[in-house]
Amino acid sequence: GENVEQHPSTLSVQEGDSAVIKCTYSDSASNYFPWYKQELGKRPQLIIDIRSNVGEKKDQRIAVTLNKTAKHFSLHITETQPEDSAVYFCAARTGGAGSYQLTFGKGTKLSVIP
Amino acid sequence: DADVTQTPRNRITKTGKRIMLECSQTKGHDRMYWYRQDPGLGLRLIYYSFDVKDINKGEISDGYSVSRQAQAKFSLSLESAIPNQTALYFCATSDWGGGYNEQFFGPGTRLTVL
Repeated sequence: GENVEQHPSTLSVQEGDSAVIKCTYSDSASNYFPWYKQELGKRPQLIIDIRSNVGEKKDQRIAVTLNKTAKHFSLHITETQPEDSAVYFCAARTGGAGSYQLTFGKGTKLSVIP
Repeated sequence: DADVTQTPRNRITKTGKRIMLECSQTKGHDRMYWYRQDPGLGLRLIYYSFDVKDINKGEISDGYSVSRQAQAKFSLSLESAIPNQTALYFCATSDWGGGYNEQFFGPGTRLTVL
């Protein structure tokens, strides 16, 4: 089955700096890669996603890049703010039509220091 | 607002007891999922269902069973709870959308098995 590796497991940055979280996947058939943010005590929520036919996608201060050849994708957060502090999960969609499921990475705890 | 709800939110039980976690949704989604979250291990899929008559095992289904009573309800059962099933459990739903759709998570159920 699919295996998603996520690094680093913890990340501390100064407010205003950039943060980068990286993920690799094993199944070359995976073609959809969402990122979820989980604030402390809250439920995970989708923040951005990318399909395999796109190399980069941006939404204000966050962006995701995908390298299909190397089978890795990354989340970039610019101008970090304290409210960006959370656990971030990457995921890869696996399975054939009718059985799609997400395999998640183990998460990155991001702390933004004011 | 349409939502995903879980009951109970917290549960403490003893080894060997049978326990049921319930999930309801008013989003009108066909697809429902049960995940388990452990510190440092991310979100792992237990079972998923794409409609009332469809049940599929996920990555870690041993020791668990599910029931899809209606489009809006998906229950997770632990037939004989054991301490290593202590975890935070999330239900999630999604629409079809060609498999690219966002998963919406419930608030979670924190289960402790003594």
